[in-house]
Amino acid sequence: DAGVTQSPTHLIKTRGQQVTLRCSPISGHKSVSWYQQVLGQGPQFIFQYYEKEERGRGNFPDRFSARQFPNYSSELNVNALLLGDSALYLCASSLASGGPGYEQYFGPGTRLTVT
Amino acid sequence: QQQVKQSPQSLIVQKGGISIINCAYENTAFDYFPWYQQFPGKGPALLIAIRPDVSEKKEGRFTISFNKSAKQFSLHIMDSQPGDSATYFCAANNNDMRFGAGTRLTVKP
Repeated sequence: DAGVTQSPTHLIKTRGQQVTLRCSPISGHKSVSWYQQVLGQGPQFIFQYYEKEERGRGNFPDRFSARQFPNYSSELNVNALLLGDSALYLCASSLASGGPGYEQYFGPGTRLTVT
Repeated sequence: QQQVKQSPQSLIVQKGGISIINCAYENTAFDYFPWYQQFPGKGPALLIAIRPDVSEKKEGRFTISFNKSAKQFSLHIMDSQPGDSATYFCAANNNDMRFGAGTRLTVKP
């Protein structure tokens, strides 16, 4: 069974541009979470979606937005890119949004470089 | 934003030894405590996880010890192998997952 998939693998953007990252969860998983991981640090929570509804939002500016589609895949959008947005963006899927079945499985990430 | 403190930052262990990584948390509402292993260029992989109603959980060479009153939990890797060399993250969850800063483990042959 396929794990969490993310696209693209790598991305280079210029300051001020917009970017869309995509994630497909493990089959049967209904929850998707997004994280930002800066080099040398632990992942920082950005969003969680469950059954197409936002269930949680981390401490990130409004330039960050996300959505989940009927097939449970998800997109993360970042507008007006800053140099500090350069990071590995991770998607994780789980059966549920909390409680039993909350084990999160991560994809390989999208490496975003902003120049 | 960090509510989970992880130590040490780096750890060097001889092959066959025991690796111990510690984490402390602040928010008593956390109800799920996983450990992740991450290799360079890869996403974190779930190793083992525990809930606060259990004091210890063992899976193969990996054991989590959980002390609810002290708000601390730790990962023990028995019989450490060079292939275990990676960065390890503890995390804690209550509606959103909070990660520690990571421990870079090196197991020397």
